[in-house]
Amino acid sequence: GENVEQHPSTLSVQEGDSAVIKCTYSDSASNYFPWYKQELGKRPQLIIDIRSNVGEKKDQRIAVTLNKTAKHFSLHITETQPEDSAVYFCAARKYNFNKFYFGSGTKLNVKP
Amino acid sequence: SQTIHQWPATLVQPVGSPLSLECTVEGTSNPNLYWYRQAAGRGLQLLFYSIGIGQISSEVPQNLSASRPQDRQFILSSKKLLLSDSGFYLCAWSVMGGPGPNEQFFGPGTRLTVL
Repeated sequence: GENVEQHPSTLSVQEGDSAVIKCTYSDSASNYFPWYKQELGKRPQLIIDIRSNVGEKKDQRIAVTLNKTAKHFSLHITETQPEDSAVYFCAARKYNFNKFYFGSGTKLNVKP
Repeated sequence: SQTIHQWPATLVQPVGSPLSLECTVEGTSNPNLYWYRQAAGRGLQLLFYSIGIGQISSEVPQNLSASRPQDRQFILSSKKLLLSDSGFYLCAWSVMGGPGPNEQFFGPGTRLTVL
């Protein structure tokens, strides 16, 4: 099966700085990679995703990059704000499979 | 648009009591449905998933069970709760795997405390 590893487990940055969270996956057949943000006591919310046919995707201050050869993908948040503080999860899904494999999560703390 | 509902939102149950959590999805047909559990401060543990009515895959052996009596209804049950069943239970849906949209969306969750 697929194995997704996520680092770091906690990340503390100053407001305005950038934050980077990294994930690796083991199965080269995985082709869809979402990122979720979970605020305290709330459901995970999809914030950005990328498919294996592209290398980078941006949405305002958030970007995701994918390196298929190395089997890793990263979430980049620029100009961080206190409201970015949350737990972020990466995941991977294989084409035509129904399971999502999640990383263990990164707790991001943005200090004002 | 699609929406996903879960109830109850919170639940406090004694050890050994039964459990029934319900999840329904609106605005889509034949979705994949999932039950996850999240212990406090931890990641997402997949418990069950279903690709159709009556079709349930169990991921972790435990005292929980799941059923899908209707296309857009997914139920999580237990005959006797354990203390270790406490957690945040999340239902989720996605479309079937394939070339189309792959996103998975989560319901609002049920916070279960077993005393």
